[in-house]
Amino acid sequence: DVKVTQSSRYLVKRTGEKVFLECVQDMDHENMFWYRQDPGLGLRLIYFSYDVKMKEKGDIPEGYSVSREKKERFSLILESASTNQTSMYLCASSQGDGPQHFGDGTRLSIL
Amino acid sequence: GIQVEQSPPDLILQEGANSTLRCNFSDSVNNLQWFHQNPWGQLINLFYIPSGTKQNGRLSATTVATERYSLLYISSSQTTDSGVYFCAVERYSGGGADGLTFGKGTHLIIQP
Repeated sequence: DVKVTQSSRYLVKRTGEKVFLECVQDMDHENMFWYRQDPGLGLRLIYFSYDVKMKEKGDIPEGYSVSREKKERFSLILESASTNQTSMYLCASSQGDGPQHFGDGTRLSIL
Repeated sequence: GIQVEQSPPDLILQEGANSTLRCNFSDSVNNLQWFHQNPWGQLINLFYIPSGTKQNGRLSATTVATERYSLLYISSSQTTDSGVYFCAVERYSGGGADGLTFGKGTHLIIQP
């Protein structure tokens, strides 16, 4: 089975902090994704990557950046956290045109 | 971008009942997945079904790609089936993955 691991289930940070959310997959998948989920807005794509050092903007990239230095790891970075970035963050991976597999999510609170 | 509409938005059933959830999408897609989100927020893969019919125990799904809809069937519902069911689609661009577009979900409550 595919295993997608997110580093934290719950995280509390302060406004203005630089925040790193880490995601690791163990199936040598080429594609990795970051989504956020908010009540009333659903799940939305932030960024994705189809190869090491490659990145593409999703629907809501503002205020975020990403890093993919190794194939198995995809990091989401909040450069200067703000309260409107309080959300549930979900990471996923896929191979080619196959299904996406999701991690358990990180509930991030920005105070 | 692609629009994904799910119906009904809410559904309350008694244990043992059957249900059909629908997903309509606005353009041709390369990937369609059904997920169940449990109370802890975990997204569980149910089906990867860009076309055709699949079955897994009490659950089955059918996608009619030419008519741009998919159906998820749940038979003999159990309380553990409660949660939110999402349909999500992906249309590849430039030959590669492009991220999933999710519907708003169907919130299912199974009462004992």
